[in-house]
Amino acid sequence: QQQVKQSPQSLIVQKGGISIINCAYENTAFDYFPWYQQFPGKGPALLIAIRPDVSEKKEGRFTISFNKSAKQFSLHIMDSQPGDSATYFCAASKAGNTPLVFGKGTRLSVIA
Amino acid sequence: TAGITQAPTSQILAAGRSMTLRCTQDMRHNAMYWYRQDLGLGLRLIHYSNTAGTTGKGEVPDGYSVSRANTDDFPLTLASAVPSQTSVYFCASSRDSISGANVLTFGAGSRLTVL
Repeated sequence: QQQVKQSPQSLIVQKGGISIINCAYENTAFDYFPWYQQFPGKGPALLIAIRPDVSEKKEGRFTISFNKSAKQFSLHIMDSQPGDSATYFCAASKAGNTPLVFGKGTRLSVIA
Repeated sequence: TAGITQAPTSQILAAGRSMTLRCTQDMRHNAMYWYRQDLGLGLRLIHYSNTAGTTGKGEVPDGYSVSRANTDDFPLTLASAVPSQTSVYFCASSRDSISGANVLTFGAGSRLTVL
């Protein structure tokens, strides 16, 4: 059973456009929702994260929108740039000694 | 530069042979993890350790073993490799796992091909 479902699997966006990646979860005990960014040949790195007590978190061009009732959260990349081309993973975890659970990833390509 | 060191970077291994992937961190993080990354399947947890001396099974533990003798090292062993273990393996660590706000630091990965 996949605990975090991520879509789309791949995404092509024009430079300057908005990239949107969606994730859904089932476990209502999850209380931490990070997004990781991975460039080719590198390990993933934390991009931005949110707790369920807020509905939105923004850091520069990156925004997480969180809908607790729908058990969904999404990553929005405004003014997408070719340098944003990477694989993005959503994840979730709950308090206690439980590791992060990752979505299957979205390969984003930003074309000029 | 502080972080996680994985070795080897890549390896080709004959089926049936054993292999240990090494992982060392210098951040004094309590928790460490091994994930495998496969196209279309994302990052799947193999084993983890919340603190030195303890380990736990992840989503795909079969065919793998780990040990955590000290804080810094978390080796992953394949006792008898099979082709389905061909993958990119990532070691990661976090300061702690208790709070749930795990900020994971990943290594650069070890690409393993089992023939």
